[in-house]
Amino acid sequence: EAGVAQSPRYKIIEKRQSVAFWCNPISGHATLYWYQQILGQGPKLLIQFQNNGVVDDSQLPKDRFSAERLKGVDSTLKIQPAKLEDSAVYLCASSFWGEAFFGQGTRLTVV
Amino acid sequence: KQEVTQIPAALSVPEGENLVLNCSFTDSAIYNLQWFRQDPGKGLTSLLLIQSSQREQTSGRLNASLDKSSGRSTLYIAASQPGDSATYLCAVRGSGAGSYQLTFGKGTKLSVIP
Repeated sequence: EAGVAQSPRYKIIEKRQSVAFWCNPISGHATLYWYQQILGQGPKLLIQFQNNGVVDDSQLPKDRFSAERLKGVDSTLKIQPAKLEDSAVYLCASSFWGEAFFGQGTRLTVV
Repeated sequence: KQEVTQIPAALSVPEGENLVLNCSFTDSAIYNLQWFRQDPGKGLTSLLLIQSSQREQTSGRLNASLDKSSGRSTLYIAASQPGDSATYLCAVRGSGAGSYQLTFGKGTKLSVIP
């Protein structure tokens, strides 16, 4: 069974630029999560999808972050414009009946 | 709002020792609890999943227990090996209708010294 795929693995951008991350969940997993993990901290939920609907986006900075899940499968997370404090690892996860599986993450550096 | 705490933040042990990692959570209304391992620069690998109705789960040298009423879980690692060195994260999934948010602790960084 293929795991959760994320791309790119690494990204370096200047502040005020835009960036997008892509996630392909495990086939058949209805729930998809995007997490932000700052160095030395635990992952923080940004947004949770159930199929292609948003279940929880209460911690998503909506003035600069956006996310969509097309046809209830792939998802993209966008940051526009980026700030220095957005430097973090962005993790995508999917779950089916309660067990979450994570991708390798995208390490974003904003300079 | 669910809060998850992991103690200790870091732990260093000699190879071969048995060890216990602790996780506590503030809201006992959980759906399940999951332990993950994270290697530097990598994503999270699921180790054990405990449903709210279960008391423990075992996988090889790992044993996780859950005491929902007291808001605690422990991860027991037997006969530790240098390859066990990583950060261990505890996450709880809420049981609120339509949410099932997964809330993480900050992790315990384990170093096993050969």
